[in-house]
Formats: sequence, structure tokens, C-alpha cells
Amino acid sequence: QKEVEQDPGPLSVPEGAIVSLNCTYSNSAFQYFMWYRQYSRKGPELLMYTYSSGNKEDGRFTAQVDKSSKYISLFIRDSQPSDSATYLCALSGGSYIPTFGRGTSLIVHP
Amino acid sequence: GAGVSQSPRYKVAKRGQDVALRCDPISGHVSLFWYQQALGQGPEFLTYFQNEAQLDKSGLPSDRFFAERPEGSVSTLKIQRTQQEDSAVYLCASSFIGGASNPTQYFGPGTRLLVL
Repeated sequence: QKEVEQDPGPLSVPEGAIVSLNCTYSNSAFQYFMWYRQYSRKGPELLMYTYSSGNKEDGRFTAQVDKSSKYISLFIRDSQPSDSATYLCALSGGSYIPTFGRGTSLIVHP
Repeated sequence: GAGVSQSPRYKVAKRGQDVALRCDPISGHVSLFWYQQALGQGPEFLTYFQNEAQLDKSGLPSDRFFAERPEGSVSTLKIQRTQQEDSAVYLCASSFIGGASNPTQYFGPGTRLLVL
């Protein structure tokens, strides 16, 4: 079993939909929880990060962490075709080295 | 301002050839990371520098992989005697300071390596 599990998708939704992206993990030492967006043939771009449990909101994006269930989520409201990309979760503990999920491919169609 | 740049963007190598991949981090960034991203997978950590010191190379898959950052800015990842399994995208990332208290890393566009 990998330390971080993420469904590769693809997840296809209509424009304007609320999107839910998720990761599960097994290592309880993880404390930092990050979401990256990666467009085709580009490097990952950090969207948000949270420390420990709870919610964090930034515009149309909301990140949730449930440490008791070892489950993290990223919600995208009012999704746009420009949100079509691969979304990677990344987790780290006391070190600087993140462990990435394999990414979920999101397609938002007009 | 300028982000992280990598060169070349694409590299085709014959099996057994040596390759060198370059990373120019954001100016002033102390920490530099190299990752390997296979098709359909997330980035996998290779090695980490703080300034010119290579503090962690635990992710390098074999002794054919070597990285350096001699002056604490530009870094080079070298792969000797390339094998087909080395085909992947090699990503470089930099951050202003090190440590888990600042997990923000800025990634370059990657070098896509294909070994024939």
C-alpha cells in the first residue's frame, strides 16, 4: 500500500459544478497537507496548504483535512474549463520532503 | 519575476549515453529539490540541497545519478549510462527557506527525458 492514495480519474464535470478531489494516507506523522495543480507539460503549482486539521478557503478553493480519518479533500466551486488539469495532493511530516499522490485528472467541459 | 527554469526542456538519449539536466532556481532561494515524475504518477523525491550542501540524496535510484550545486544557485542533475527506465520528467523546485515550516516550493517546467 502506498503512503498516499489518490484516484487518477479522469473526473469529468460540466462548467459550474462543484468538484471534490480527495486523498487518503496512512502515515499519521504527516502534518502539512498541500494541493498542487499541474497543467499538461508544466510543473506543479502550489494552490494551497494547511497545517494539521481543519478547513482553509481561498477564493473558489477549499481544502479540508480530517486527520482522524487520514483523509484530505480539495473542493472547487463554480468550476471553469481553465480548471482542467491534474490535481496532486502532497503531504509532509517533520521533514521538508513531500510525498505526492499520483494526481487526479480533472476535465471541466463547457 | 523569473520563475524556476530548466534546460533542456526535452532530451532524447540513446541507452548508455550520459545526460546533464540544468536547473536555475529563483534568485535568493536557499533550498533546491530534484524530483522524477513518471507518466501518470506524482513527483518522486530524488535529492535536496540547502545552498551548496547536498543534505539528502536518499531518493537517487542508483549510483548512476549524481547532482551538484557548487555555488549554491544553479544545479545540475547528471545521469550516467542512461537506461530506458530513466525515461521520465525531471522536475526541479526551489524554496526561499528550508524546513517543513515553509512547504512552499516553486517548480520549474521540467525536462522530459526519453531514453531509446
